Amino acid sequence: KQEVTQIPAALSVPEGENLVLNCSFTDSAIYNLQWFRQDPGKGLTSLLLIQSSQREQTSGRLNASLDKSSGRSTLYIAASQPGDSATYLCAVHPYNTDKLIFGTGTRLQVFP
Amino acid sequence: DAGVIQSPRHEVTEMGQEVTLRCKPISGHNSLFWYRQTMMRGLELLIYFNNNVPIDDSGMPEDRFSAKMPNASFSTLKIQPSEPRDSAVYFCASSLIPRDQPQHFGDGTRLSIL
Repeated sequence: KQEVTQIPAALSVPEGENLVLNCSFTDSAIYNLQWFRQDPGKGLTSLLLIQSSQREQTSGRLNASLDKSSGRSTLYIAASQPGDSATYLCAVHPYNTDKLIFGTGTRLQVFP
Repeated sequence: DAGVIQSPRHEVTEMGQEVTLRCKPISGHNSLFWYRQTMMRGLELLIYFNNNVPIDDSGMPEDRFSAKMPNASFSTLKIQPSEPRDSAVYFCASSLIPRDQPQHFGDGTRLSIL
């Protein structure tokens, strides 16, 4: 059974720091891995999607890497800003289903 | 382009009542997903449709829950009768090609059963 774990559960940092959020999964048979952001009272917003054949994806200050063989992904946030404060979730897309399996998220707070 | 639209945004009702949640996916998307989010269990997939056909409903908690997608632009999730433990935020999401494209989420319906 696929399980997705995110560490840390919560993180509080001063503005300007570079951050690394971690995601691990137990079964490497996946189509892709996705990173989402969730603001309070809102739905999830897709940040990056990494196909299983890819090693990383970048969007602005965000960079996500994928090591499928070791079951790990990291989301790197450069030069963090207070507007980055949100909960970040990763999700894997297993083979033979379109049912995403989500981690429990990392709650990030960036203070001025 | 409008995103995924859910209604109502908030629903408060007494246990035993029927609850109907509505979702309009992004035009052209052919996959639709219903999720439930709680503090205890996180985000769980309840059911998903491809081309209006239910594919996997293994996440539907029990027979009190039902979902329909009568056409490509509308879906409902119904709870009858509702119970306090059904209180949660319910999200709808849609995708063009789930294996290649991300899912787009609505803002959710916050459901409180008294």
